[in-house]
Amino acid sequence: GAVVSQHPSRVICKSGTSVKIECRSLDFQATTMFWYRQFPKQSLMLMATSNEGSKATYEQGVEKDKFLINHASLTLSTLTVTSAHPEDSSFYICSGPPAVQGGDTQYFGPGTRLTVL
Amino acid sequence: GESVGLHLPTLSVQEGDNSIINCAYSNSASDYFIWYKQESGKGPQFIIDIRSNMDKRQGQRVTVLLNKTVKHLSLQIAATQPGDSAVYFCAENIGSGGSNYKLTFGKGTLLTVNP
Repeated sequence: GAVVSQHPSRVICKSGTSVKIECRSLDFQATTMFWYRQFPKQSLMLMATSNEGSKATYEQGVEKDKFLINHASLTLSTLTVTSAHPEDSSFYICSGPPAVQGGDTQYFGPGTRLTVL
Repeated sequence: GESVGLHLPTLSVQEGDNSIINCAYSNSASDYFIWYKQESGKGPQFIIDIRSNMDKRQGQRVTVLLNKTVKHLSLQIAATQPGDSAVYFCAENIGSGGSNYKLTFGKGTLLTVNP
């Protein structure tokens, strides 16, 4: 399958700071990428759809001004958690379907563990 | 898909036994279904998928069954091994292409394989 990487794999920050998480598709191009959040012992919840060259679309209840998404190229999407608070501590995962594959299969990154103190 | 819950269903099996993990979905318009395996601290790993025009698909040691009448999906793992221990999620998708790649995940099942 295709490879998606995330950086950093884990980050600890102080409350009120901003954290940027990168999601890269290493061997395919993705016009669309997705960002999920997962709390312990829970399922993945879709936060937003990242669209290359245009604005991201956010799921209901997700604050777009708090979770800034940028999809500047066909291989990179970034999620910035602004003014992070302890309740933002979670496992953030991105995914992308290969744009040219024509299928629906999504490939997931390894996730980023965010801990806000 | 199922709504997210705070309690993860669990399944405990002996090594070598067959495992069956079930998933109920709610959207009758969903036409593509995927099973993912997630090990602790890692991202979901694709296992097998099935489209709504099929009712069964087999992979290596895994079989997915789809019953559209009752909106039920199952994953069968043959000869379960300790390395199969993980949380298994079903996911559903409506349509394909662009933002329609959006997946809705089920609550997940924790599979524990006892040696």
